[in-house]
Amino acid sequence: AQTVTQSQPEMSVQEAETVTLSCTYDTSESDYYLFWYKQPPSRQMILVIRQEAYKQQNATENRFSVNFQKAAKSFSLKISDSQLGDAAMYFCAYRSSPGGSNYKLTFGKGTLLTVNP
Amino acid sequence: NAGVMQNPRHLVRRRGQEARLRCSPMKGHSHVYWYRQLPEEGLKFMVYLQKENIIDESGMPKERFSAEFPKEGPSILRIQQVVRGDSAAYFCASSVSAGGLETQYFGPGTRLLVL
Repeated sequence: AQTVTQSQPEMSVQEAETVTLSCTYDTSESDYYLFWYKQPPSRQMILVIRQEAYKQQNATENRFSVNFQKAAKSFSLKISDSQLGDAAMYFCAYRSSPGGSNYKLTFGKGTLLTVNP
Repeated sequence: NAGVMQNPRHLVRRRGQEARLRCSPMKGHSHVYWYRQLPEEGLKFMVYLQKENIIDESGMPKERFSAEFPKEGPSILRIQQVVRGDSAAYFCASSVSAGGLETQYFGPGTRLLVL
């Protein structure tokens, strides 16, 4: 079974600075999908960014980008120009490739990000 | 286009009572997933349903928990004879199709507290 590990329970960053959240995963599959979700105090789960494992190019969404290292099974999230509204719990998630139980998301335990003004 | 809707947002039950959690998927979405988030934990998959069918309930406790997604109306997650350990946030997600890069859109969750 796949596992997702977020080794940083909490992180903090100054407003306007850059922060990187770590995520590693364990899988024997070669094709899969990775996601970062954000859970603000409202507790709503919001998709931040997603990556297909077969794509070497790192995904980018505005101020959010990932560093996907397939061999190392690492999928870190970089937030540039941090804003107060970025303060939230961030979850890394894994989903298998097509076929089998590829609809299940497996989540890490999350990293609580604090943004200091 | 309204997002995934869940109600109630907060539910308090006493031990032994029943809890019914409702989820209305986004318009056009026929795939529904339920996840549970225990305190200080990430979300864990419980069950995946399509209209009138349970596709995978491997993450759901064998006893007291059931789920349905009828042809008409919302998906229901039902917990009978609740115990304190059932206290958690229950999230519903929906998607147009399953798998691949298809995004699962999450509702705001129902926070269940068992006294």
